[in-house]
Amino acid sequence: DQQVKQNSPSLSVQEGRISILNCDYTNSMFDYFLWYKKYPAEGPTFLISISSIKDKNEDGRFTVFLNKSAKHLSLHIVPSQPGDSAVYFCAANPTSNKLIFGTGTLLAVQP
Amino acid sequence: DAGITQSPRYKITETGRQVTLMCHQTWSHSYMFWYRQDLGHGLRLIYYSAAADITDKGEVPDGYVVSRSKTENFPLTLESATRSQTSVYFCATHSGGADTQYFGPGTRLTVL
Repeated sequence: DQQVKQNSPSLSVQEGRISILNCDYTNSMFDYFLWYKKYPAEGPTFLISISSIKDKNEDGRFTVFLNKSAKHLSLHIVPSQPGDSAVYFCAANPTSNKLIFGTGTLLAVQP
Repeated sequence: DAGITQSPRYKITETGRQVTLMCHQTWSHSYMFWYRQDLGHGLRLIYYSAAADITDKGEVPDGYVVSRSKTENFPLTLESATRSQTSVYFCATHSGGADTQYFGPGTRLTVL
């Protein structure tokens, strides 16, 4: 059973608009979450993270929001750029150094 | 400074053959991981290692063997490859501190 879920396999947005990628988790004990970005033929790269003691973390155009009561987090990209087109993976860090990944969302930013 | 490398990048093999995927890091990170990426499943942990000579199973270890005699290398062996092991395999490292995992470029394996 998937403990980290990304229910949207794909998302298409126009350049300059906001991209919102969603992630749900099932275990309320999870206390640290990460987003990774993956381009074709490359390994995933770390994008942004959030601890459960916060409800928001921002890094430039990227903001992650955490709603612990709903067991939901989202990644906002504003403004979206064509270079943001990639697969985005949400991950939870339930124990030291081990990650549980979601299935990924393919973001396509149209020029 | 390559950081983390994987070889080969692409491999085609036949059912029943033994295949070894290599992973090498230059950072001396304590932790190393093997994942497979499949459509609809995301990244799933196969095996991980906390240090040389310490390995443990992940979510999908069946059919795979690992070893870690040196800190910098973490080979993954498919003892008798099956078609269901066709996948993209990623190696990752972690320093063990308040840090993230760093991934290699991946190996695309096709089992015919």
